[in-house]
Amino acid sequence: EAGVAQSPRYKIIEKRQSVAFWCNPISGHATLYWYQQILGQGPKLLIQFQNNGVVDDSQLPKDRFSAERLKGVDSTLKIQPAKLEDSAVYLCASSLSIGLRRANEKLFFGSGTQLSVL
Amino acid sequence: KNEVEQSPQNLTAQEGEFITINCSYSVGISALHWLQQHPGGGIVSLFMLSSGKKKHGRLIATINIQEKHSSLHITASHPRDSAVYICAVTAGTYKYIFGTGTRLKVLA
Repeated sequence: EAGVAQSPRYKIIEKRQSVAFWCNPISGHATLYWYQQILGQGPKLLIQFQNNGVVDDSQLPKDRFSAERLKGVDSTLKIQPAKLEDSAVYLCASSLSIGLRRANEKLFFGSGTQLSVL
Repeated sequence: KNEVEQSPQNLTAQEGEFITINCSYSVGISALHWLQQHPGGGIVSLFMLSSGKKKHGRLIATINIQEKHSSLHITASHPRDSAVYICAVTAGTYKYIFGTGTRLKVLA
């Protein structure tokens, strides 16, 4: 079974530039998550999709971050314009059920995109 | 105060040592997860448990629901065990709440 695919693996940009990340979840997984992980911290949820609808985007800085999940499959996360504090690893994850309803549900993570904003 | 606290934050051990990483949480949970993150960012799930103890190879995870505490043990540690170990819980909303991780370095 193929895992969660993310690209690119690394990205270096200057502040005020734009950047986009792509994620393809495990086939059949209804829920897709984007996390931001700043060095030394645990992952922070940015946005959660259930199929192609947004379930939770309360911590997404909507003035500069946007995300979409067209057709309920793959997803893109965009930052425009980037700031120095956006330097982090951006993790995509997916789960089979809607919203981890079963207590024994697992999240499956991609390898992440390491973003450096100079 | 974070809802999920881990200790220690950093740990250096010699190859072969027995290692313990602790996790305490302050919310009601449906499950607790131990995750491993290698340099480069990808996260893999090691254990998911809601009671008792689980063992996989040299890794053992325990949980005490009454005390809201879990431990991850690594027996006969090896340099390839060097990684960040993250404790996470799934709570009433079935979302993950993550700890900040324990950075483990095992020296040969």
